[in-house]
Parts: sequence; structure tokens; C-alpha cells
Amino acid sequence: DAGITQSPRHKVTETGTPVTLRCHQTENHRYMYWYRQDPGHGLRLIHYSYGVKDTDKGEVSDGYSVSRSKTEDFLLTLESATSSQTSVYFCAISDRHRYEQYFGPGTRLTVT
Amino acid sequence: DQQVKQNSPSLSVQEGRISILNCDYTNSMFDYFLWYKKYPAEGPTFLISISSIKDKNEDGRFTVFLNKSAKHLSLHIVPSQPGDSAVYFCAASGYNQGGKLIFGQGTELSVKP
Repeated sequence: DAGITQSPRHKVTETGTPVTLRCHQTENHRYMYWYRQDPGHGLRLIHYSYGVKDTDKGEVSDGYSVSRSKTEDFLLTLESATSSQTSVYFCAISDRHRYEQYFGPGTRLTVT
Repeated sequence: DQQVKQNSPSLSVQEGRISILNCDYTNSMFDYFLWYKKYPAEGPTFLISISSIKDKNEDGRFTVFLNKSAKHLSLHIVPSQPGDSAVYFCAASGYNQGGKLIFGQGTELSVKP
């Protein structure tokens, strides 16, 4: 298995609070991605990174920001959490853009 | 607009029989296709892929077929085992998607002993 960890694994937070999710890899892969999984929608890309300090928006980026200051870490921030952001969040890594990606175990976020 | 569709939310198959999971896409610029398997409370794991220059790719019990004219791909699992019970996602990528994978909604496969 690819060395990807996500923290926290579970989080409950209140509407309006900021939340940061962390993805850490030990594979030295260039590309990192954040997805959310919701029933009926599959996996939808939030943001991705193609190198340190290089990031771009995905399909559902509104309300989210990301940062990548080191190759191994990719942070996803919800500036002011809303109930619509209750979801399971997955980080993925790849050494070849648009080909196989390897996923972390996920973070279940509940916004009350 | 859903560019990758898995129209069957669920599928139930008897152990030992064939499981066929289907996926349709609308973007003719997609040229690489993947299948992922996901167990509850775990991340998706890569299963098998196929390039648009091929129409079939096999890996053990898993075979992916690609029909470009119909914009359709399918995953065959033979023989199906109870451990194959999971949610299966198809995904596609193409140069006009900026390198991103576009996922279908998933199909939940249940293999009954």
C-alpha cells in the first residue's frame, strides 16, 4: 500500500468554525489530490497539487482552500464549515498525472 | 453534467458466477479508464486500467472491456467471491480534463455465498 495517512480520521465540528484536514505521504509523489465522497455523487475533486506551492481548483472547490508547503503534506481547509460540507474526504497521490492515483483511508467530517 | 455514469447503484451475484459492472461516458476525449474498489471505512484501491488504444485488459479474475464507439466500459469478475463485495467506481481521464480523473457514482456489488 502507498504510504498515505490522513488526520484526523473523524471530526465533528460546528457550523462557522474553521477546519483543517491533513494528508501526509511518504512516497515522494509529485501529485496530490483532495476528493469528497457523497452518496449518489461518487468521488468529486476539490483541489489538487502538482508540486510544492502549485495548486489548482477541482470540480467542487467553493468553500475550500489548500496549501502544500512540503512535498509530503497537503492541507485542506474549510474556512467556515457549513452543513453541506459534511462528507467523507479522501486524499490521493500519484506520480503520473491523470493515471493511477492511490488513496488514503479517509476523514469523516460532520458539521452540525 | 455527469460525464461518467454508472447507472446501476447495486448488483447482486451468486458466488462463483460472473459479475459484470458497467460504466458509460460522454466525453470522446477520454483516453484512459480505471476501476477502483472500495470497502466500507477504507479508501478506494486501484484495481485495473485500460488505455483507449486497447479494447481489453486482464488481470487475474478481473477483465476490463472498452467499447469506444459505444463509449462504454465494463468490468468482469470471474469467478466472483464473497470478498469481492464492495463498491466499484469507474473513472476516466483525458488531455482536455487537465489531467484529472472523473469518477462515476459507484456500483455496490454483493456476492452471496
